[in-house]
Amino acid sequence: SQQGEEDPQALSIQEGENATMNCSYKTSINNLQWYRQNSGRGLVHLILIRSNEREKHSGRLRVTLDTSKKSSSLLITASRAADTASYFCATDVQTGANNLFFGTGTRLTVIP
Amino acid sequence: EAGVAQSPRYKIIEKRQSVAFWCNPISGHATLYWYQQILGQGPKLLIQFQNNGVVDDSQLPKDRFSAERLKGVDSTLKIQPAKLEDSAVYLCASSPGPGAYEQYFGPGTRLTVT
Repeated sequence: SQQGEEDPQALSIQEGENATMNCSYKTSINNLQWYRQNSGRGLVHLILIRSNEREKHSGRLRVTLDTSKKSSSLLITASRAADTASYFCATDVQTGANNLFFGTGTRLTVIP
Repeated sequence: EAGVAQSPRYKIIEKRQSVAFWCNPISGHATLYWYQQILGQGPKLLIQFQNNGVVDDSQLPKDRFSAERLKGVDSTLKIQPAKLEDSAVYLCASSPGPGAYEQYFGPGTRLTVT
């Protein structure tokens, strides 16, 4: 499978703490994207990091990419109850029609 | 800017019946995707359109699933006949182009096959 795998599968933290989730993938990529899914807003794009980038920031989000290890991490700082959702990494592999392959997701619960 | 629209939001059918889903992408987006998301899993791509042409349908079960995108705008996804394992959320997404673009997802259609 070309899908990524997120780790951990589930994470529960207190509001204000940081949350880190990891993604591993198998094949060479053009870019890697992170998405959030909750019942209120559906599946929403968070951030895109290209294969030649190592780190990217967007607000309270920090994404790293290590192509040598075929892994990425998403850090959410100062978490809020509204961050409760499932987080997916999606890889745009180098071979094929530039489709995204989604991982299995990390379920994050932020306790107020 | 209006988002991706999908209908219906929910559908319950019996196995062996047929069902169709409709998607209206964001205006101007050339690329349209259909995904299947089974409970507890990530979305799985079924088909990608570029304008009104199919770019990738390698994961579409063509014996029962079909999709079209007439005039390069709206799209329909059909299942005939449905099986129990088709119970899932069907997501439509669009983007300005393939590859290094974020995808914008619709709210999805939750299909239950009994």
